[in-house]
Amino acid sequence: DAGVTQSPTHLIKTRGQQVTLRCSPKSGHDTVSWYQQALGQGPQFIFQYYEEEERQRGNFPDRFSGHQFPNYSSELNVNALLLGDSALYLCASSLGYMSFFGPGTRLTVL
Amino acid sequence: AQKITQTQPGMFVQEKEAVTLDCTYDTSDPSYGLFWYKQPSSGEMIFLIYQGSYDQQNATEGRYSLNFQKARKSANLVISASQLGDSAMYFCAMREGLDGTSYGKLTFGQGTILTVHP
Repeated sequence: DAGVTQSPTHLIKTRGQQVTLRCSPKSGHDTVSWYQQALGQGPQFIFQYYEEEERQRGNFPDRFSGHQFPNYSSELNVNALLLGDSALYLCASSLGYMSFFGPGTRLTVL
Repeated sequence: AQKITQTQPGMFVQEKEAVTLDCTYDTSDPSYGLFWYKQPSSGEMIFLIYQGSYDQQNATEGRYSLNFQKARKSANLVISASQLGDSAMYFCAMREGLDGTSYGKLTFGQGTILTVHP
């Protein structure tokens, strides 16, 4: 059983650009959450998707948007990138109370 | 609002010894779940152990145990017989309103870096 997968592994962008990160959940997991982890900090909740709808959102601006597909995979889009968006972006898939994380996408904004 | 506090930025332990990583939490919801994750330098968050707010006994998973003191709102992780591979960042996390579903965010603490010496 494959775990949570994320792509790409690393990404370098410049300020003002847009980026799309992708996540495939564990088999059978219907809920996907996205987290941003700045260097040396704990992960911060961005939003959660369930049945293709955003059902909870953290304190992030509208530049951060997402999507969940019928196969439960998900995308995180960030527009108008800022230097402060440089971080590790983690995707978590859930079934019941358990959440499993992917390896993350490390985004660097120059 | 839910909050997790980890007051130990770094901890050192000798191989084969036990170590306790501290975690306190704050919530007004009577139903919640507490989690510990390990994050090696590779970045992936690895689930270690879970404790539900209504669980009567402390959770255990192999060498990991969770010392749950509900009245003190603490959920310390105990790692027995430390191994060199245990060197990593450890995060305590909480989800409120746990009713068996995955609804809701995980709130994380700042983490504790554990270093195991040979």
